[in-house]
Amino acid sequence: QSALTQPPSASGSPGQSVTISCTGTSSDVGGYNHVSWYQQHPGKAPKLMIYEVTERPSGVPDRFSGSKSGNTASLTVSGLQAEDGADYYCCSFAGSFWVFGGGTKLTVL
Amino acid sequence: EVQLVESGGGLVQPGGSLRLSCAASGFTFSNYWMTWVRQTVGKGLEWVADIKPDGSVRSYVASLKGQITISRDNAKNSLYLQMNSLRTDDTAVYFCVRNSAWSFDRWGQGTLVTVSS
Repeated sequence: QSALTQPPSASGSPGQSVTISCTGTSSDVGGYNHVSWYQQHPGKAPKLMIYEVTERPSGVPDRFSGSKSGNTASLTVSGLQAEDGADYYCCSFAGSFWVFGGGTKLTVL
Repeated sequence: EVQLVESGGGLVQPGGSLRLSCAASGFTFSNYWMTWVRQTVGKGLEWVADIKPDGSVRSYVASLKGQITISRDNAKNSLYLQMNSLRTDDTAVYFCVRNSAWSFDRWGQGTLVTVSS
């Protein structure tokens, strides 16, 4: 049950776009469309941002989008805003359990 | 409004036991899979266990199998996590989480478990 691989950090200036990758295997990310992304601000609980690879829950801005190719899923944040600065975690179903990525700290410059 | 409120965390010695509870409100608890996720201080998230709506199916992370038991009481809208033989590396914030559409759509604020002598 190895963690999914995310870059430890990412950054962009306000208004720019940033993409965060999440790499797994054919047993998790590549094998299922049950990939989700979570945003976490310091001291707060995680918040669901994307589910089923591309779906956005009600209330999440359409600046957030998800995609997947093979064993790698991606989260793109367009039109970066200051409040987007946070930790982001991907998660995938893996058959009988769930596995998270190590997290990416997004800094808005 | 959906609410998940954890309790039961605290300081426990290595080898000790703890039972976490989660009180759910604002939704039909008995219709949802429920999950425990933990987060070590300053580190990432780890799925710990989940349980089917009727309690008939339970899954655990391999590293904790045999050490923990997830359970629920639908009449009380409550989720539980019994943890035994606790180790220092079990120190973490434990979140109660609702599953929906193959994702974790609602999270509690978490309860801190500290394992230390």
